[in-house]
Amino acid sequence: EVQLVESGGGLVQPGGSLRLSCAASGFYFYNYAMTWVRQAPGKGLEWVSSISGAGGTIQYADSVRGRFTISRDNSKNTLDLQMDSLGVEDTAVYFCAKDSAIAPFYFNSWGQGVLVTVSP
Amino acid sequence: AIWMTQSPSSLSASTGDRVTITCRATQGIGNYVAWYQQKPGRAPTLLIYDGSILQSGVPFRFSGSGSGTHFTLTITSLQSEDFATYYCQQYFTFPRTFGQGTRVEVQ
Repeated sequence: EVQLVESGGGLVQPGGSLRLSCAASGFYFYNYAMTWVRQAPGKGLEWVSSISGAGGTIQYADSVRGRFTISRDNSKNTLDLQMDSLGVEDTAVYFCAKDSAIAPFYFNSWGQGVLVTVSP
Repeated sequence: AIWMTQSPSSLSASTGDRVTITCRATQGIGNYVAWYQQKPGRAPTLLIYDGSILQSGVPFRFSGSGSGTHFTLTITSLQSEDFATYYCQQYFTFPRTFGQGTRVEVQ
């Protein structure tokens, strides 16, 4: 059974940093791209970033490019999202999602999400 | 970017009703569309991919159709557990984009 467990969320001041992690199990992690999707309170889903299975291909949404860094450790089956220069607009639940293939496509498994609150 | 416009943004329906949700892309995307269901406080779950293929374990009352720029999600006989918000998503190109969501409420 695929399991994705996010951690690292919390309250941070504007301009601060936070690092999210996603622990994966139940599948061959290195064979699948991974993605972060976020959802602001009461709003819809927003794609944030994706990384291919080997980590060689990375994509970012314009809203986070230059501030967020996605990475993965295939030896530990973990996915990370380093978030710097956070603004109030980054307040959201962040979901880790497993892609359907080694390259990013659609998302066939999701973690439960972790809340990030950016507030003075 | 390719934007996905869903309609309606919300609808009221009763158990047993047939429900159709539409998603339009701002340019042709083949059949690179997925549909997700999300219940309050929960993560989304995949219903449909490649426009019309039912994800394993998803009830047959859900179906998807369309290609190019026009896509639909149909629930043939709404059940109580289907009251939720539904999102379409294109994976034709980056950035990946979602529709704004359709909330299906109890009439």
